[in-house]
Amino acid sequence: DAKTTQPPSMDCAEGRAANLPCNHSTISGNEYVYWYRQIHSQGPQYIIHGLKNNETNEMASLIITEDRKSSTLILPHATLRDTAVYYCIVRVAGGGSQGNLIFGKGTKLSVKP
Amino acid sequence: NAGVTQTPKFRILKIGQSMTLQCAQDMNHNYMYWYRQDPGMGLKLIYYSVGAGITDKGEVPNGYNVSRSTTEDFPLRLELAAPSQTSVYFCASTQRGERYEQYFGPGTRLTVT
Repeated sequence: DAKTTQPPSMDCAEGRAANLPCNHSTISGNEYVYWYRQIHSQGPQYIIHGLKNNETNEMASLIITEDRKSSTLILPHATLRDTAVYYCIVRVAGGGSQGNLIFGKGTKLSVKP
Repeated sequence: NAGVTQTPKFRILKIGQSMTLQCAQDMNHNYMYWYRQDPGMGLKLIYYSVGAGITDKGEVPNGYNVSRSTTEDFPLRLELAAPSQTSVYFCASTQRGERYEQYFGPGTRLTVT
């Protein structure tokens, strides 16, 4: 079972920031928070990941609370092309069996004009 | 780089038929994975490989077989197809390193009737 809890759906106006929350209250000290998204049945796409510090890349920002029990993915200026299902996954950083991405149902983000 | 490629894109099988789903990556990644995604659900791991000649079972391996004779290729074999195997199949790969982000192929949509 997924170790994260996400709202099933969210709406966002085009051009506004989209803030997607994720709860992971049982996260272990060596587990990272990863975010992937899946656009309309395409293969999932990696967005960002972090351990305890906030992270930013060209796609998004990741804010992790100090106790690491929750996090927020921020898309600073959402576009229609950001409409997708967003998955929050906690896991150790590794390959092999550690690479198994345990997907929950994610959050369906709808960006509206 | 083409990334991760999968063939075919779509296939309809009759119950009891067999087929091989092809997956190839040109990024020289060590780790490769096969997932299936049922409608409205997250992905589930079928098999994975940590390198040529080494494969292992994931969460839902029954009814499937894999092989990894080269770094690039990781085919998934379905023997005696059943309606329960109707799903979208995704192949993914990743490389040893800090990020361990997985790159996904476009998927194969399989219907068994």
